[in-house]
Amino acid sequence: DAGITQSPRHKVTETGTPVTLRCHQTENHRYMYWYRQDPGHGLRLIHYSYGVKDTDKGEVSDGYSVSRSKTEDFLLTLESATSSQTSVYFCAISENLNEQFFGPGTRLTVL
Amino acid sequence: DQQVKQNSPSLSVQEGRISILNCDYTNSMFDYFLWYKKYPAEGPTFLISISSIKDKNEDGRFTVFLNKSAKHLSLHIVPSQPGDSAVYFCAASARNQGAQKLVFGQGTRLTINP
Repeated sequence: DAGITQSPRHKVTETGTPVTLRCHQTENHRYMYWYRQDPGHGLRLIHYSYGVKDTDKGEVSDGYSVSRSKTEDFLLTLESATSSQTSVYFCAISENLNEQFFGPGTRLTVL
Repeated sequence: DQQVKQNSPSLSVQEGRISILNCDYTNSMFDYFLWYKKYPAEGPTFLISISSIKDKNEDGRFTVFLNKSAKHLSLHIVPSQPGDSAVYFCAASARNQGAQKLVFGQGTRLTINP
C-alpha cells in the first residue's frame, strides 16, 4: 500500500470555526488530491496539487483552501466550517496520470 | 450534471458466479477509466484501469470492458468471492488536461452471498 496518512481521522467541530485536515505521504509522489465523499455523489474533487506551491481548484472548491509547502504534506482548510461540509474527506496521491492511491479518510462532523 | 453514472445502487450475486458492474459516461474527452473498491471505514483501493485505446483489460479475476461508442464500461468479477463484497466506484479522467482530475460514479454496493 502507498504510504499515505491523514490526520485527524475523526473530528467534530462547530459551525463557523476553521478546520485544517492534513495529508502526509512518504512516496514522494508529485500529485496530491483532496476529495469528499457524500451519499449519492460518490467522491468529488475539492482541490489538487501538481507540485510544491502549485495547486488548483476541483469540482467543489467553494469554502475550501489548500496549501502544499513540502512534497509530502497537503493541507485542506475549511475557512469557516458549515454543516454542509460534514463529510468524509479522502486524500489521494499519484506519480503519473494513471491510478491514484487513497488515504484512510477523515470523518468530519460540523454541528 | 453527472458525467459518470452507476445506475445500480446495489447488486447481489451468489458466490462462484460472475458479478457484472456497469458504468456510463457522457464526456467524450475522458480517455482513462478506473475501478475502485471500498470497504467501510477505509479509503478506496485501486482495482483495474483501462485506456481509451483499448477495449479490454484483464487482471486475474477482474476484467474491464470499454465500449467507447456507447460510452459504457463494465467490470466483470469471476468467480465472485465473499471478500468481494464492497462498494465499487468507477472513475474517469481526461489526462490531456494536464492533471488527472477523476470524476467518480455514485458507487454500486456488491454483496456476494454464500
